[in-house]
Amino acid sequence: AQRVTQPEKLLSVFKGAPVELKCNYSYSGSPELFWYVQYSRQRLQLLLRHISRESIKGFTADLNKGETSFHLKKPFAQEEDSAMYYCALREANTGNQFYFGTGTSLTVIP
Amino acid sequence: DTGVSQNPRHKITKRGQNVTFRCDPISEHNRLYWYRQTLGQGPEFLTYFQNEAQLEKSRLLSDRFSAERPKGSFSTLEIQRTEQGDSAMYLCASSLGSLADGYTFGSGTRLTVV
Repeated sequence: AQRVTQPEKLLSVFKGAPVELKCNYSYSGSPELFWYVQYSRQRLQLLLRHISRESIKGFTADLNKGETSFHLKKPFAQEEDSAMYYCALREANTGNQFYFGTGTSLTVIP
Repeated sequence: DTGVSQNPRHKITKRGQNVTFRCDPISEHNRLYWYRQTLGQGPEFLTYFQNEAQLEKSRLLSDRFSAERPKGSFSTLEIQRTEQGDSAMYLCASSLGSLADGYTFGSGTRLTVV
């Protein structure tokens, strides 16, 4: 069963414009949600996690349990934000694996 | 220690051959994971080790796949009798304790079966 859905494979925005990468999940237990990012020719790395409620590189994501969403947002996109973004889910406290979405490729146009 | 190291970076093999990949995790990390990523997909979980014990295996890990972590440090993933459908990026990751902080991933081994 698809647990994490990222509906947009490709997303292009102009520099300085707001950006939102969508993530919806389907999970009956208690999930923890994460965003991972992969810049060109670099390894996959953790961007942020919902439990820490932090802002990394200007990005934020709020877990909306009612809408089962964890959208990633940034008010002003920068060229260096161009990358592949993956939303991921694990079962809180006990899960040993992540369930990844199919990813969204973000291009920020100068 | 500069992170999770995977070797080789690329592997091209003929169908039916056996291949083995190696992963060296961050030295103090006791947990090690293998994932597979095919084109256009996100990483999919294969298996998980805590120290030398293999504690979880995905149904994706068919009988042709075997993973070991003999001394609780590096790990190997072997694929026997490779098939074209095995072509993918094989990712290794490691973590220390709780996954609340996420994984540290390696750069992966890209396997092409011709």
